[in-house]
Amino acid sequence: KNQVEQSPQSLIILEGKNCTLQCNYTVSPFSNLRWYKQDTGRGPVSLTIMTFSENTKSNGRYTATLDADTKQSSLHITASQLSDSASYICVVTSGGSYIPTFGRGTSLIVHP
Amino acid sequence: GAVVSQHPSRVICKSGTSVKIECRSLDFQATTMFWYRQFPKKSLMLMATSNEGSKATYEQGVEKDKFLINHASLTLSTLTVTSAHPEDSSFYICSAPIGTFEAFFGQGTRLTVV
Repeated sequence: KNQVEQSPQSLIILEGKNCTLQCNYTVSPFSNLRWYKQDTGRGPVSLTIMTFSENTKSNGRYTATLDADTKQSSLHITASQLSDSASYICVVTSGGSYIPTFGRGTSLIVHP
Repeated sequence: GAVVSQHPSRVICKSGTSVKIECRSLDFQATTMFWYRQFPKKSLMLMATSNEGSKATYEQGVEKDKFLINHASLTLSTLTVTSAHPEDSSFYICSAPIGTFEAFFGQGTRLTVV
């Protein structure tokens, strides 16, 4: 069964600090992994997309890594801002399918 | 960039009435759209896959007659919650894939049934 597990479930950090969110998956065959940011009451917005051959991808202060061998990904947020407070969702899609498998998300709260 | 527009963003309706939610792909064609439901602090749960010109594919446990899906054109899919009840209150989100690697989400619809 395809599964995506995220940790931690929630995280509170101070503004300006860095943090790393984790994503482990069992989706097979693997096609791509995406990280989304979802603000409360809004639809998810794409942060990064990585395919099998990509190890790291950055989008501003967001850097995602992918280890396809261990089936792990991380999302690193640098110099956090109050606006980073949101849920971060890891989504993995298997080869040949449009239907993705969603992680439960990590709720990040950035305090001033 | 490609955008998916979902409307309305919020709706309050009385029990027993029906509510229609629209999902439009802007500047791209979407032969497939996904409809999700999200409970508070939970992940998105796929309800059904909408296919242009054919019947939608529903996930197990989702009532077809309760959640009517119509994908009438390459840019519009609708979800109608029929005979709504308070337990149908939730956050509904649509998504349209582009190619294999990307999918754009609508802004979501907060449905409250009173």
